[in-house]
Amino acid sequence: GENVEQHPSTLSVQEGDSAVIKCTYSDSASNYFPWYKQELGKGPQLIIDIRSNVGEKKDQRIAVTLNKTAKHFSLHITETQPEDSAVYFCAAGPNYGGSQGNLIFGKGTKLSVKP
Amino acid sequence: DGGITQSPKYLFRKEGQNVTLSCEQNLNHDAMYWYRQDPGQGLRLIYYSQIVNDFQKGDIAEGYSVSREKKESFPLTVTSAQKNPTAFYLCASSMLFGHTFYEQYFGPGTRLTVT
Repeated sequence: GENVEQHPSTLSVQEGDSAVIKCTYSDSASNYFPWYKQELGKGPQLIIDIRSNVGEKKDQRIAVTLNKTAKHFSLHITETQPEDSAVYFCAAGPNYGGSQGNLIFGKGTKLSVKP
Repeated sequence: DGGITQSPKYLFRKEGQNVTLSCEQNLNHDAMYWYRQDPGQGLRLIYYSQIVNDFQKGDIAEGYSVSREKKESFPLTVTSAQKNPTAFYLCASSMLFGHTFYEQYFGPGTRLTVT
């Protein structure tokens, strides 16, 4: 089955710097790659996602890149702010859910942005 | 407000007791999911349902049961057979158009403590 590895487990940056979180996956059938942000005591919030028919997607300060050949995808946050501090999860799954598979999550990266 | 609600936010139970966690959504989503989150871990799928009166086991279904009598509701029962029930439980929902995987949106979670 699918396995998702996420690195680093913790990341500390200065306000204004960039942060990069990387994930690798094992199942070549995976085609959907969402990223979630989870603040303490709350449920995860979808912040960006990408499907395998594109290599990069941007939304203001957040971008995700996908390399299907190498089976890895990354989250890039530019001009980090203290409110970006949270745990970030990547996930991978097929375009078709249900009986054909579901999302597999990485173990998370705790991002700390220091003012 | 549209969204997913989970109740209660905190739940305490004695070992050996069954307990039911509530999940309601008013997003008109077809699919609903239950995940378990342990400290430093990713999210692990317990059960999911794509349609009323139908549900499927996820990766860690042992010791749990669910029902889907209404589209809006997907309660999870943690039974006394679950060996290590203390965890943070998250409910999610998504649209399902044909079999295409759409974004999962999460509720705020229920923290269950069993002593």
